[in-house]
Amino acid sequence: AQTVTQSQPEMSVQEAETVTLSCTYDTSESDYYLFWYKQPPSRQMILVIRQEAYKQQNATENRFSVNFQKAAKSFSLKISDSQLGDAAMYFCAYRSLTQGGSEKLVFGKGTKLTVNP
Amino acid sequence: DAGITQSPRHKVTETGTPVTLRCHQTENHRYMYWYRQDPGHGLRLIHYSYGVKDTDKGEVSDGYSVSRSKTEDFLLTLESATSSQTSVYFCAISEIGNQPQHFGDGTRLSIL
Repeated sequence: AQTVTQSQPEMSVQEAETVTLSCTYDTSESDYYLFWYKQPPSRQMILVIRQEAYKQQNATENRFSVNFQKAAKSFSLKISDSQLGDAAMYFCAYRSLTQGGSEKLVFGKGTKLTVNP
Repeated sequence: DAGITQSPRHKVTETGTPVTLRCHQTENHRYMYWYRQDPGHGLRLIHYSYGVKDTDKGEVSDGYSVSRSKTEDFLLTLESATSSQTSVYFCAISEIGNQPQHFGDGTRLSIL
């Protein structure tokens, strides 16, 4: 079974600075997707960014980018020019493409990001 | 935003009572999921459905049952609620392929 590990329960960053959240995963599969979700205090789960394992190019969405290292099974999230609205729990998630087509996600335990003014 | 509605949004009930949570989607997506979120555990999959009347267990399915009689509705039932089932419950939907899962706003369930 796949596992996802977020080794940083909490992180903090100054407004306008850059922060990187870590995620590692364990799998024997070669095809899969990886996601970062954001959960603000409102409790909504918001997709931040996704990465297809077969793509070597790192995904980017505005101020959010990932560093995907397939051999190392690492999928970190970089937030540039941090804003107060970035404060939230961030979850890394893995989705297999070979488990009978269930499309289900395996989540890490989350990293709580605080943005200081 | 994906059309996902969870009801109720909040519920307080007593140990031993039955509880049913409802997830309704307007996206006609094939897959539907129920997760629970607890501090220090992230989100854990309870049950999922891959079509009408087609369901399967997730990693924390004990004490829960589900039903899907229509594409748009996925029900989660706690037959006899226990305090350990106090949690926030999320419904999610997805389609096959590279589309991400979309989540409902969650139901906060407290069992006293």
